[in-house]
Amino acid sequence: EIVLTQSPGTLSLSPGERATLSCRASQSVESKYLVWYQQKPGQAPRLLIYGTSNRATGIPDRFSGSGSGTDFTLTISRLEPEDFAVYYCHQLDTSPRTFGQGTKVEIK
Amino acid sequence: QVQLVQSGAEVKKPGASVKVSCKASGYTFTNYAMHWVRQAPGQRLEWMGWINVGNGNLKYSQKLQGRVTITRDTSASTVYMELRSLRSEDTAVYYCAREQSVSGDSCYDYWGQGTQVTVSS
Repeated sequence: EIVLTQSPGTLSLSPGERATLSCRASQSVESKYLVWYQQKPGQAPRLLIYGTSNRATGIPDRFSGSGSGTDFTLTISRLEPEDFAVYYCHQLDTSPRTFGQGTKVEIK
Repeated sequence: QVQLVQSGAEVKKPGASVKVSCKASGYTFTNYAMHWVRQAPGQRLEWMGWINVGNGNLKYSQKLQGRVTITRDTSASTVYMELRSLRSEDTAVYYCAREQSVSGDSCYDYWGQGTQVTVSS
């Protein structure tokens, strides 16, 4: 089973700042199968990035993804008030599909 | 527009079973696989299994194998997830999620609203 470890656990930032979230895999993940979701309290996860770096429909360009192999990054260039949420990475490369434990981006 | 609408919250006693439904609309139901994911309080998302809605092929998490069954009714555009021999640690929000494949990249592009299942004596 591929274990995804996200860091940091919590990121305390102000609106307008840059957020950098990390996802490290216990073994290599093919880039086409690395995904990022955003989740707000009481809501289902929302697709942000698929295939490591492709923004989903309607996702603003302040969100970007990068990485390869075992190290992947989600960057939010300038935080907007609606971006404060929990972010999960997810791999669909091998079964069982697994998720990271999440990074909470909170208002400082 | 694509919608996945799940059945309502359930409260069950330990040892009982629960069946959650996920009704799809707004797309060709048989063209996409459907997955089930759960989220226990304070825990990460956990993949439970998936069904190829077109041909009925299945795969389950080894952890839940033997307790979980995923089925589909193509005439009703609905996928079901049944979990048996419930334990307190099965208390979670259960989601269905559609798998999309875009130029070979896979993701879950639409999710149901979630169904709270509470297991308590």
